[in-house]
Amino acid sequence: DAGITQSPRHKVTETGTPVTLRCHQTENHRYMYWYRQDPGHGLRLIHYSYGVKDTDKGEVSDGYSVSRSKTEDFLLTLESATSSQTSVYFCAISETTLVDTQYFGPGTRLTVL
Amino acid sequence: DAKTTQPPSMDCAEGRAANLPCNHSTISGNEYVYWYRQIHSQGPQYIIHGLKNNETNEMASLIITEDRKSSTLILPHATLRDTAVYYCIVRVSNQGGKLIFGQGTELSVKP
Repeated sequence: DAGITQSPRHKVTETGTPVTLRCHQTENHRYMYWYRQDPGHGLRLIHYSYGVKDTDKGEVSDGYSVSRSKTEDFLLTLESATSSQTSVYFCAISETTLVDTQYFGPGTRLTVL
Repeated sequence: DAKTTQPPSMDCAEGRAANLPCNHSTISGNEYVYWYRQIHSQGPQYIIHGLKNNETNEMASLIITEDRKSSTLILPHATLRDTAVYYCIVRVSNQGGKLIFGQGTELSVKP
């Protein structure tokens, strides 16, 4: 299995509080991704990174920001959590954009009350 | 972005081959077909991918039609541990090569 960890694995927070989720990889892959998974929607891309300090938006980026100061870490921040951001969040990594496989982490279950 | 269509659910007897179909009629020439599966709430697990030719690995075979508008994932000898949701995905070349997940097929392998 690819070396991807996510922390925390579970979190319950209240509306309006800031939340940061961490994705850590040991594979030295260039690309890292944050997806969210909700019933009826499958997985949807939030943000992705194509290198240190290089990030871009995905299809559901509103309300989220990301940072990547080191190759191995990709942080997802909810500046002011809302109940609509209750979801399971998955991080993925890939060496390149098209051919190389995306490997997924174990996920973080976030509940916003 | 190309989208895929899969049956919502399928059953398969343990030990038999599971054949999971997928339609991707709007796929572009440089877009790959990927298959992942997800067991319970675990992270999606990569199975196989292909562009034009049929592919086989230790987990499964992927058959892609000549016009590339559809494909079939074959699990040659399904086991109970293969019970999962299987996603057929077209990997686009923009947005970092994101994976566009559909609803998938829930495969139930029965004894």
